[in-house]
Amino acid sequence: AQSVTQLDSQVPVFEEAPVELRCNYSSSVSVYLFWYVQYPNQGLQLLLKYLSGSTLVESINGFEAEFNKSQTSFHLRKPSVHISDTAEYFCAVIPPKAAGNKLTFGGGTRVLVKP
Amino acid sequence: NAGVTQTPKFQVLKTGQSMTLQCAQDMNHEYMSWYRQDPGMGLRLIHYSVGAGITDQGEVPNGYNVSRSTTEDFPLRLLSAAPSQTSVYFCASSYTSSGHNEQFFGPGTRLTVL
Repeated sequence: AQSVTQLDSQVPVFEEAPVELRCNYSSSVSVYLFWYVQYPNQGLQLLLKYLSGSTLVESINGFEAEFNKSQTSFHLRKPSVHISDTAEYFCAVIPPKAAGNKLTFGGGTRVLVKP
Repeated sequence: NAGVTQTPKFQVLKTGQSMTLQCAQDMNHEYMSWYRQDPGMGLRLIHYSVGAGITDQGEVPNGYNVSRSTTEDFPLRLLSAAPSQTSVYFCASSYTSSGHNEQFFGPGTRLTVL
């Protein structure tokens, strides 16, 4: 079984400041890793994912995450946030050979960007 | 292309009532699933389907039924609502059940059970 821990439930940050959202996972097998974002009153959308290859993955809107196998982490960063980045962010994992596309989610980190 | 749609958006039930949450997708996705979202707990999988006529239980299936008679629709039935089922429910779909596929989520149904 897998588990995902997001260490911060809320992160307030000022506009144009950097932000880091921490995600650690536990699994006895290798996993794919995902970050999903949920804007207010909407469903979740995929932000970025790591399947294999380069451990640094980027999204189209300036976020990046780095897979660290030794620390079992997949932290999400953005060097300069905008008001529009206010949302809840979820880290999720799945073993490549899992039966069914069954993601295991962390508890979420709510980011509030202040002007 | 509407993506994943869910109805209703909001619902209030009394304990013991039954209801069906509707979910439909127009992307010809093979895989569909239902999650519930509770504060601090992320999303937990209720039931999923890898194709028409095939369903299976997720992490928290008790009190819920599903069926998948068509590729497009995947309704979730609450048999006898309980206050513990107060939650936000999300339906999701993906092209196949392979783990690397992106899941597409509907806008959610906010359910309150009194």
